[in-house]
Amino acid sequence: DAGVTQSPTHLIKTRGQQVTLRCSPISGHKSVSWYQQVLGQGPQFIFQYYEKEERGRGNFPDRFSARQFPNYSSELNVNALLLGDSALYLCASSTGPPEKWQPQHFGDGTRLSIL
Amino acid sequence: QKEVEQNSGPLSVPEGAIASLNCTYSDRGSQSFFWYRQYSGKSPELIMFIYSNGDKEDGRFTAQLNKASQYVSLLIRDSQPSDSATYLCAVNRGNNRLAFGKGNQVVVIP
Repeated sequence: DAGVTQSPTHLIKTRGQQVTLRCSPISGHKSVSWYQQVLGQGPQFIFQYYEKEERGRGNFPDRFSARQFPNYSSELNVNALLLGDSALYLCASSTGPPEKWQPQHFGDGTRLSIL
Repeated sequence: QKEVEQNSGPLSVPEGAIASLNCTYSDRGSQSFFWYRQYSGKSPELIMFIYSNGDKEDGRFTAQLNKASQYVSLLIRDSQPSDSATYLCAVNRGNNRLAFGKGNQVVVIP
């Protein structure tokens, strides 16, 4: 079975641009979470979606937005890119509602570089 | 105070030795705790989770939890070169949202 897939794998943008990152969860998984991992740090929670509804938001500015589609895939959008947005963006999927803990499976991430 | 702290620097251990990693957390109400392994350039991989005080063993890995002292540890027995990676401690903040420490790099020397 395919794991969590993310695209693109690498992306280079300039300051002020906008970017869209994509994630396909493991088949049967309905919950998707997004994390930002800056070099040398642990991942930081950005968003969580379950059944197309936002179920959690981390401490990130409004330039960050996301959505989940009927097929449970998800997109993360970042507007007005800043140099500090350079990071590895990770998507994680899990099976059921957030109220019940299940293991989160991470994709290989999208490495975003801002010039 | 950070939510999850892993303060040790890189850890070098000889092959076959025990690697010991520690993590403290600030939210006393936290209920579930995780150790992820992350190879350079790769995504985090869940290797252990623990809910109850005490020890939990899985193969060469043992997770230890002490809720009164708010720390979690990971022991890697019979360390192998393939164990060389960064180990991330994570705490469930509720509703399956994870807070991670910055990670500890482990280098196993053949």
